[in-house]
Amino acid sequence: DTEVTQTPKHLVMGMTNKKSLKCEQHMGHRAMYWYKQKAKKPPELMFVYSYEKLSINESVPSRFSPECPNSSLLNLHLHALQPEDSALYLCASSQQGATEAFFGQGTRLTVV
Amino acid sequence: GEDVEQSLFLSVREGDSSVINCTYTDSSSTYLYWYKQEPGAGLQLLTYIFSNMDMKQDQRLTVLLNKKDKHLSLRIADTQTGDSAIYFCAESLPSGGSYIPTFGRGTSLIVHP
Repeated sequence: DTEVTQTPKHLVMGMTNKKSLKCEQHMGHRAMYWYKQKAKKPPELMFVYSYEKLSINESVPSRFSPECPNSSLLNLHLHALQPEDSALYLCASSQQGATEAFFGQGTRLTVV
Repeated sequence: GEDVEQSLFLSVREGDSSVINCTYTDSSSTYLYWYKQEPGAGLQLLTYIFSNMDMKQDQRLTVLLNKKDKHLSLRIADTQTGDSAIYFCAESLPSGGSYIPTFGRGTSLIVHP
């Protein structure tokens, strides 16, 4: 299994909603990442978890709240988002110290 | 994306070779990557090169690295319509035991018959 699975694939939410994005991998990777990609832009790093602990937060607003409940699962909790938060949210994972990061297919989020 | 520069578009005829270029700024980058993104999809790692190498070949793909000029290129031989996608160059530095890619803006490759 060399997949990173993200659910849902698409999500539309209102500005007062609370929702969560889910990412799962069963490759035994101990580093997991959230990236945000706006249309026609490169992916930008948001968070890095290493051994289930948050190791990097790229000054992301608190309306985005990551969670790593176990070594296979990474969540991104969303609350009070703005329309400009609409983007493709990509999850990735890698072995600690490895050169390759494997990406999921992303969740396309639209905030209305 | 500001530290990694790529041209935005490349158009080639099917069967020709494509060359996508990238420049990066951080001379301490350890690994340099090429990712492919098809419309509406995630990122697929195509290949990567360690910074002490100057060339890597993998089937139709050839990566050239000029570390002095901080220039990376990806050559796709015999380009096919299925190669149409956005190609991202990325550099990485070690961070807490991981290598976290930082992406360029991406080059849209359009392959026409």
